[in-house]
Amino acid sequence: DAGITQSPRHKVTETGTPVTLRCHQTENHRYMYWYRQDPGHGLRLIHYSYGVKDTDKGEVSDGYSVSRSKTEDFLLTLESATSSQTSVYFCAISTDNYGYTFGSGTRLTVV
Amino acid sequence: ILNVEQSPQSLHVQEGDSTNFTCSFPSSNFYALHWYRWETAKSPEALFVMTLNGDEKKKGRISATLNTKEGYSYLYIKGSQPEDSATYLCAFGGGADGLTFGKGTHLIIQP
Repeated sequence: DAGITQSPRHKVTETGTPVTLRCHQTENHRYMYWYRQDPGHGLRLIHYSYGVKDTDKGEVSDGYSVSRSKTEDFLLTLESATSSQTSVYFCAISTDNYGYTFGSGTRLTVV
Repeated sequence: ILNVEQSPQSLHVQEGDSTNFTCSFPSSNFYALHWYRWETAKSPEALFVMTLNGDEKKKGRISATLNTKEGYSYLYIKGSQPEDSATYLCAFGGGADGLTFGKGTHLIIQP
């Protein structure tokens, strides 16, 4: 799927611990995105990136930070995980002016 | 925050019947309208991207129309099959700033 992989696929963590999710792409696309998916909410944009070291906040950015030190990697960090951050996280890349491709998702459970 | 509404929220359809559902979006500053098919535990699969008022797209038994002046799009499924059961997401926007998703229509096809 357009060379986009997310890791880990599943994670269970305790409240208050830091967690980093990784999105890796192999095709040198400039724009990358992190979404979370929750029942009744569809997909909501957390953060996005225009390129290396160039990121911006999305609709639900509180409690999350991101980093993009290389074109191929876009990291999402929960500095201190809370139960409200239990969700499925999808990374996406913009493959042209209109197309987006999504990764397979990371299911995160905060207990 | 852009408002993208989908209706109905869920839909039960008998196998073989045709169905349709709606996405409404802001009619100003239109960029593109996307339809995705999403199954639990999988990544969203792009169905259509529509950019011009009056656009009609078709993929097998699934088709979509777009009215940018009044801010709505319809997705049609002809002769529903059990494998059509999924959540159908529409998303507004695109380019560098990412997509704003509706909450989805959850379609269940009953044999």
